[in-house]
Order: sequence, then C-alpha cells, then structure tokens
Amino acid sequence: ELKVEQNPLFLSMQEGKNYTIYCNYSTTSDRLYWYRQDPGKSLESLFVLLSNGAVKQEGRLMASLDTKARLSTLHITAAVHDLSATYFCAVDDFTSGSRLTFGEGTQLTVNP
Amino acid sequence: NAGVTQTPKFQVLKTGQSMTLQCAQDMNHEYMSWYRQDPGMGLRLIHYSVGAGITDQGEVPNGYNVSRSTTEDFPLRLLSAAPSQTSVYFCASLQKGTTYGYTFGSGTRLTVV
Repeated sequence: ELKVEQNPLFLSMQEGKNYTIYCNYSTTSDRLYWYRQDPGKSLESLFVLLSNGAVKQEGRLMASLDTKARLSTLHITAAVHDLSATYFCAVDDFTSGSRLTFGEGTQLTVNP
Repeated sequence: NAGVTQTPKFQVLKTGQSMTLQCAQDMNHEYMSWYRQDPGMGLRLIHYSVGAGITDQGEVPNGYNVSRSTTEDFPLRLLSAAPSQTSVYFCASLQKGTTYGYTFGSGTRLTVV
C-alpha cells in the first residue's frame, strides 16, 4: 500500500523567509504532484514531477524529486502573504489505471 | 471548455437517504476519479475509472457506487447516507499519457444529519 507523508503539517512563517515542505512516499511511482488549496476551494495544480532529479520552479515556489530517496520537496523563497494556503503532495500509481494517494497536507500561514 | 463540473455544490441529506453526485468533463479525458476530503486526512480515493465501462475501487469505496457509461460522465451514488459520509467530495479527470496534472472539479459539500 502506497503511503505519502508530508511534514510539517502546520507551518507559520514570516514574510521574506525561506522554508521547505517535505513529501516522503513509500513505494516507487511514476509521478508526483504538488497542489495548492485555498480555504473552501478546489485544488490547483502547481507542479508535475515526472523523473528523478526533476526540478520545476514557478515564482517563489520550487519543487524537486528524488525517486531514489522517495522524497520530494517544495521550497518557498521569500514568502509573501498570498502564499498562505494548504499544500498537498500526491503520488500517482499507474499499476492499475491511475490512482492518486495524497499526503495530509501542509497548512502554510505567512504572517506580515 | 468548462473543465470538470460537479453538481450540486452543497447538499444536506438525512440518514438513510440516497443521492447521486454528478461529475462531467468536456476535455475527453480517459481517467476520472472521486475523492473525499476530511479534515486532517488529505484526500482519499473512493472509486476511479480508466475509461467508459471500466471502474474500480479505491481506498474507501464502501457505501458508494459508480458507473461510467460515457467518457464525459462519472456519477457517484450514495446508497444509504450515513453521518460518516459527511465530507467534501471532489471529482478529477486526467488525459491518459499527459504530462499535465489532474483537473479537479469545484467540489460538493455534503452533510448527512
């Protein structure tokens, strides 16, 4: 059974600071996703990581994937209040169709 | 393109009632799936489909049925609602072989009293 663990689950940080969210998963997988969710809203796709060593960046967010360590990171650079949201990583199991297993989510609060 | 459309957005049911949550996508995606989101538990897969006529169970399928008669539609049926099914339900779709992520619907917030 595929398990996905995120840490931290709660993160409060000041504007301008840097931090990293970690996502560990238990078995090999084809791809890893990062999503953002604002309160009461749906999930917004941030990154799709397809191979070992993949790195993607969008604005103040950068995601990376190490398939050997079964680890993905979401790095936040110079945080701003607008980044406050819950961030989920999810791992896709293509062995039988396509099944996403989500981490518990990291609730990020960026304080002025 | 409307993307993934879920209806209704909100629903209150009494214990024992049945209902169908609708999900439709207009992107010709092969893969569709249903998730439920509960506080502190992320999203959990209920049922999924890899194409019309093909469905399979996910992590938490009990109490739910699905069918996929067309590529576009993937309804989720609650057979006899229970308070434990109070949750937010999301439908998602994916194009087979794509390098893009899943597209999620806006969600249905269900309360069972």
